[in-house]
Amino acid sequence: GENVEQHPSTLSVQEGDSAVIKCTYSDSASNYFPWYKQELGKRPQLIIDIRSNVGEKKDQRIAVTLNKTAKHFSLHITETQPEDSAVYFCAASIWSAGNQFYFGTGTSLTVIP
Amino acid sequence: NAGVTQTPKFRILKIGQSMTLQCTQDMNHNYMYWYRQDPGMGLKLIYYSVGAGITDKGEVPNGYNVSRSTTEDFPLRLELAAPSQTSVYFCATRTAGGPTDTQYFGPGTRLTVL
Repeated sequence: GENVEQHPSTLSVQEGDSAVIKCTYSDSASNYFPWYKQELGKRPQLIIDIRSNVGEKKDQRIAVTLNKTAKHFSLHITETQPEDSAVYFCAASIWSAGNQFYFGTGTSLTVIP
Repeated sequence: NAGVTQTPKFRILKIGQSMTLQCTQDMNHNYMYWYRQDPGMGLKLIYYSVGAGITDKGEVPNGYNVSRSTTEDFPLRLELAAPSQTSVYFCATRTAGGPTDTQYFGPGTRLTVL
């Protein structure tokens, strides 16, 4: 099955700096890559996703890039704010009926005011 | 529109006891999933369902059972609870075929087995 690895496991940045989290996947058939944010004690919530037919997607301060050849994708957060502090999970899936999502082990991001 | 609801929020079980974690959705999503999240770890898939009457095992199904008799409900059954099942359990549903094909998570059930 798919194997998703995520780095780093913890990340601290100064407020206003950028944060980058990287994930690799093993199954070349995977074609859908969502990113989730989980605040302490809360449920994971989707923040951005990308499909394999595009290389980059942006939503305000958040962007995701995908390199299908190298089988890796990254989350970029610019102008970080304290409320960005949370655990971020990447996932990989084959976008078709009911297929499983395989999650990375998470990155705990702390934004220092 | 409540989305995905889970009950109970918290539960403490003794070793060997059984319980059912409830998951209900009102979004008419065909696909439903059960995950467990151990402290400081990612989400591991236990079981999933692509529609009423159809279920399949995920990565970590041992010690659990599921059923899906309706679109709305996807209960997870723990038989003979063990300390290794101490975790937070999330139910999720998924759209399919639309512009945003992703999972929507319930609030979670925190289970402790002593």
